[in-house]
Amino acid sequence: GQNIDQPTEMTATEGAIVQINCTYQTSGFNGLFWYQQHAGEAPTFLSYNVLDGLEEKGRFSSFLSRSKGYSYLLLKELQMKDSASYLCAVRPSYSSASKIIFGSGTRLSIRP
Amino acid sequence: NAGVTQTPKFRILKIGQSMTLQCTQDMNHNYMYWYRQDPGMGLKLIYYSVGAGITDKGEVPNGYNVSRSTTEDFPLRLELAAPSQTSVYFCASSDDAVDGYTFGSGTRLTVV
Repeated sequence: GQNIDQPTEMTATEGAIVQINCTYQTSGFNGLFWYQQHAGEAPTFLSYNVLDGLEEKGRFSSFLSRSKGYSYLLLKELQMKDSASYLCAVRPSYSSASKIIFGSGTRLSIRP
Repeated sequence: NAGVTQTPKFRILKIGQSMTLQCTQDMNHNYMYWYRQDPGMGLKLIYYSVGAGITDKGEVPNGYNVSRSTTEDFPLRLELAAPSQTSVYFCASSDDAVDGYTFGSGTRLTVV
């Protein structure tokens, strides 16, 4: 079976740093994605990891450990506009197409 | 720069009615997907397509049908609507197996 776990909700303070964790158990692995989704809107692509290590993109960084089935998304210098849900998603390697399996998402609230 | 366009944005259906959710992309992407997202949940894959004339089932295909007669269009058909199909439906596309998705803005469907 396929399972992706991430915390349901998190709260952080404007200007601070927050780390959103994701663990996955899939029948194979061919990449992990993070998406941001503001309330009532479509998800937007944030990052992609396929090899172990840290990928940095401005205020956002994403880390992957394939041996541990673990990833995290790190958000620095938090802004109020970062209040959103963050979806962890995995592409199982058995997939003949590009389909991705999504976790339930972490709702992040930023307080002033 | 239209990207992925979904219509309608909102719809209320009565139990037993049918409808087609339209999805069009202008990026010449081969891969297209239909997901549904229930409140507070992640996205569940309904159907996907790897190219014109080729479709396959995802995690939750029951009660839905799709077709892919052109690269651009990937309509989702609901037959005999049921309250359990109340959800937000997202269409997405990608260029190849390693790309993230581009999502449409979603269709909010209520079945009463």
